[in-house]
Amino acid sequence: DTAVSQTPKYLVTQMGNDKSIKCEQNLGHDTMYWYKQDSKKFLKIMFSYNNKELIINETVPNRFSPKSPDKAHLNLHINSLELGDSAVYFCASSQPKSSGNTIYFGEGSWLTVV
Amino acid sequence: QQQVKQSPQSLIVQKGGISIINCAYENTAFDYFPWYQQFPGKGPALLIAIRPDVSEKKEGRFTISFNKSAKQFSLHIMDSQPGDSATYFCAARTPTGGGADGLTFGKGTHLIIQP
Repeated sequence: DTAVSQTPKYLVTQMGNDKSIKCEQNLGHDTMYWYKQDSKKFLKIMFSYNNKELIINETVPNRFSPKSPDKAHLNLHINSLELGDSAVYFCASSQPKSSGNTIYFGEGSWLTVV
Repeated sequence: QQQVKQSPQSLIVQKGGISIINCAYENTAFDYFPWYQQFPGKGPALLIAIRPDVSEKKEGRFTISFNKSAKQFSLHIMDSQPGDSATYFCAARTPTGGGADGLTFGKGTHLIIQP
């Protein structure tokens, strides 16, 4: 009964391809996020959604497009993949701020662009 | 511009010793300071967190010390064990007012506890 699950865990693809990473949370949270962890392990927020509405959109190329079909899902679609997109992408979700705002992370999706 | 600075980048501690990781922040609007632990191949997991109106919080062997005036906070791991070997991230909550506050992370500390 994984709280935040994302698929695929590993993805190797060629430059120029389009790929998607799916995320689902069964915690009943309203807020979901995508974070990127680079080769030096630096974690940086990309997007956050609250109740299917985009709240945070950091400086991310518009080749990255999140889609939230419902509160429990936040998928990440990446167009025209580049070598520099190789990283680990973490989906996360959190309770409302009033309830502690703990952020729960998935196990990550390792994307390698060749 | 790095809003949360973490040090050291790596740390080796003998079993039973005290591990200390430090963080400093710049944005006085940050209102919540968690520490996350990450094992290889896993996502970060919340370890312990503190709010700026508290100077210290202890949970088992883990303690956060918070100095609001200096804009610094630190994680102390007492009686460090080999199982504590992991990467530790400090973070600070960035209030957005939109109900989806994100976290700004430090660059991480790779901790190794030698048996």
